[in-house]
Amino acid sequence: DGGITQSPKYLFRKEGQNVTLSCEQNLNHDAMYWYRQDPGQGLRLIYYSQIVNDFQKGDIAEGYSVSREKKESFPLTVTSAQKNPTAFYLCASSPGGKLDTEAFFGQGTRLTVV
Amino acid sequence: GQQVMQIPQYQHVQEGEDFTTYCNSSTTLSNIQWYKQRPGGHPVFLIQLVKSGEVKKQKRLTFQFGEAKKNSSLHITATQTTDVGTYFCAGPRAAGNKLTFGGGTRVLVKP
Repeated sequence: DGGITQSPKYLFRKEGQNVTLSCEQNLNHDAMYWYRQDPGQGLRLIYYSQIVNDFQKGDIAEGYSVSREKKESFPLTVTSAQKNPTAFYLCASSPGGKLDTEAFFGQGTRLTVV
Repeated sequence: GQQVMQIPQYQHVQEGEDFTTYCNSSTTLSNIQWYKQRPGGHPVFLIQLVKSGEVKKQKRLTFQFGEAKKNSSLHITATQTTDVGTYFCAGPRAAGNKLTFGGGTRVLVKP
């Protein structure tokens, strides 16, 4: 089955530790995105990538890092520099064409930092 | 930068009634998309509108794209409990495919 997979679903980390969230897609999509969602809030763009080996900062990139070494993978690292990392993180992919931007979302990862 | 605003933020609806949620962009959009997120779930794509003034229907849901391609609306008729969730509009920014989401309208249905 084609789709986008995020793991793990729930993640707990101690304050000050870096943590990497996984996102894999087998849809052959060029574009991939990371969003952060806080309770009762909308989706805020962290990073996005339109092609392998290239990515751009979104609106709230501080304290996060990404890589795009393979088309199907776009891992997100939440660093200790992120002041309030507890949130629901959503990864998405889209075909990447100018009008073909329908986004497919993963199930999300709920990160709790204690 | 481009902003996408949605109103209302919350919508309490009596089952069987109609309601409309609105989406407004500060800039012209090449297209607009609507997503639904059920409680505890992830956003799921509903529809994309591309043409100025376009209207599309999905059963009880009617989506409209404004003439100036800066606003959109979602109208739901005869609301059911299955309509509960948060509805987001989203538009790609002019420079690239950065999907910008509105803050969402959270819909609660009273049986």
